[in-house]
Amino acid sequence: EVQLVESGGGLVQPAGSLRLSCAASGFAFSSYWMHWVRQAPGKGLVWVSRINSDGSSTSYADAVKGRFTVSRDNAKNTLYLQMNSLRAEDTAVYYCARPVTVAGTSPLQHWGQGTLVTVSS
Amino acid sequence: DIQMSQSPSSLSASEGDRITITCRASEGISTYLAWYQQKPGKVPKLLIYAASTLRSGVPSRFSGGGSGTDFTLTISSLQPEDVATYYCQKYSSAPGTFGQGTKVEIK
Repeated sequence: EVQLVESGGGLVQPAGSLRLSCAASGFAFSSYWMHWVRQAPGKGLVWVSRINSDGSSTSYADAVKGRFTVSRDNAKNTLYLQMNSLRAEDTAVYYCARPVTVAGTSPLQHWGQGTLVTVSS
Repeated sequence: DIQMSQSPSSLSASEGDRITITCRASEGISTYLAWYQQKPGKVPKLLIYAASTLRSGVPSRFSGGGSGTDFTLTISSLQPEDVATYYCQKYSSAPGTFGQGTKVEIK
């Protein structure tokens, strides 16, 4: 069974940093691109970032480019999101998600339960 | 970047009604379009991908169509368990932009 478990969320002050983790199990983690999606309270889904299977290629939404960094450790089956220079508008539940297939162009089939990041003083 | 827009933003219909949600891409995306259902307090669930392919286990009352820039999600007979917010997403290339969502309620 595919499992994705996010951790690392919490309360952080504006301009602060946080690192999210997503522990994956039940599938060949190193074969799949992985994504981060966020959802502000009461708002819609927003795609944040993706990373290819070996970590050599990454992409970001304009809103987080230059502040967030996605990475992975395939030996530990773990996906990361390093978030720096956090702003109030980054407050959201952050989901990691796995696509249907190993292809780069594939929709998101498996989602973690999410971890809440709150940016506030 | 390609923008995705959904309409309507919300709708209320009676049980058994046929409803259609529209998603429009600002540029052509072929059929790299997915639909997700998110019930209150739950994680999003993939319903349809490749614009019209129903994910296994999804009720056949759900259907998707379109290609290029215009897409639809149709529920042929609305059921109480379909109360949710529905999102389209392009996955042709990064960014994997979502539509703003359509909230579906039962009258």
